[in-house]
Amino acid sequence: QVQLQESGPGLVKPSQTLSLTCTVSGGSITSDSLYWSWIRQPAGKGLEWLGRVKTSGSTNYNPSLTSRVTISLDTSKNQFSLKLNSVTAADTAVYYCARDPGVYDPNAFDIWGQGTTVTVSS
Amino acid sequence: EIMLTQSPATLSLSPGERATLSCRASQDVSSYLAWYQQKPGQAPRLLIYDASYRATGIPARFSGSGSGTDFTLTISSLEPEDVAVYYCQQRTTWPPFTFGPGTKVAIK
Repeated sequence: QVQLQESGPGLVKPSQTLSLTCTVSGGSITSDSLYWSWIRQPAGKGLEWLGRVKTSGSTNYNPSLTSRVTISLDTSKNQFSLKLNSVTAADTAVYYCARDPGVYDPNAFDIWGQGTTVTVSS
Repeated sequence: EIMLTQSPATLSLSPGERATLSCRASQDVSSYLAWYQQKPGQAPRLLIYDASYRATGIPARFSGSGSGTDFTLTISSLEPEDVAVYYCQQRTTWPPFTFGPGTKVAIK
């Protein structure tokens, strides 16, 4: 079955760029017009959707982060990535990647990675 | 942006009791609402989508109902393994997709 795995640095300095990768296994990242999302969760707090990329490469972003976030596909590696620039301590969180079947059932984030913790600190 | 509120913030029940969790949207989301379960140290898991459809592999004791602005997740008979935080999420108006603040379910 499809599995997702996040990877990337666990520590990022303030004002720098946070870069994470999600590797998709057990299925093609380009199949069936799927969407691939990034979601984060500060410690002890709720979930915040950051944005998503479609298998076509088109993207949607959270308006609160649009100026700082980029999500892209690397179909050759069956991966998608997140870049968040100009980070501050407020960006410290567990970052999850998730699959979104879009118009297909289930109409929700049906598969999640285990999450990776990113701390912003000098 | 559609805001979701959840109540109660914390629910403490005995095993076998019925748990009723509420999610209210700031505007009509039709039936495009999902519920997730997050156990400590784990990623969220999809329970319910489109308000009332159980995701693959979800036990029948979990059920969802509602439409418009008011939704309910019911656990018919609480099991110890159901201890978790439960989040609702709307999929009608985006971006952004938004989540509720969560309801923590504990066992007495």
